[in-house]
Amino acid sequence: DTAVSQTPKYLVTQMGNDKSIKCEQNLGHDTMYWYKQDSKKFLKIMFSYNNKELIINETVPNRFSPKSPDKAHLNLHINSLELGDSAVYFCASSQEEAATTEKLFFGSGTQLSVL
Amino acid sequence: RKEVEQDPGPFNVPEGATVAFNCTYSNSASQSFFWYRQDCRKEPKLLMSVYSSGNEDGRFTAQLNRASQYISLLIRDSKLSDSATYLCAVNIDSWGKFQFGAGTQVVVTP
Repeated sequence: DTAVSQTPKYLVTQMGNDKSIKCEQNLGHDTMYWYKQDSKKFLKIMFSYNNKELIINETVPNRFSPKSPDKAHLNLHINSLELGDSAVYFCASSQEEAATTEKLFFGSGTQLSVL
Repeated sequence: RKEVEQDPGPFNVPEGATVAFNCTYSNSASQSFFWYRQDCRKEPKLLMSVYSSGNEDGRFTAQLNRASQYISLLIRDSKLSDSATYLCAVNIDSWGKFQFGAGTQVVVTP
């Protein structure tokens, strides 16, 4: 009964490959996010979706493409992986969009290593 | 100046002692503030929200100082299990975008 689950937990791949990370939440939340945590531990928002609609799109290379087939799922596809993409990627969800009082529930993270 | 800044630490705290640390933010229009706890190689988990009047949850006390634009977290009677990295989160727009600090590491020693 994990609230926010993402797979895989570890992803090791070669430069230039394309990979996807999947995320699902069973909390009934309307908003889902992707965050990236780099080696310096900064947790930066990449995207947020509310009910399948893109709300936040930070300055992220267009090699990163989020896809939300329904409000319980937000997947992240990355094309042409680069060394600098190595990081931990966290999926998160919150109850409402544009509700600044909403707390975030995070998935356990996907550690991506690009060789 | 970074939008949200924290002293990275580590703060080495003897068990049973009190530790406090701050998080400064640059956007004076920020309205929502949170403290998250992150254990090594794990996901951040909400510790507590920070309310304008300050709030307490057991051994944890959070304060907001709007004039100086910082929030603080105080941990009393530190336990070994309090060892973690504490991230502050500050909303930077009305669309649910939060900026996280890089975290303050706390190490509680026996």
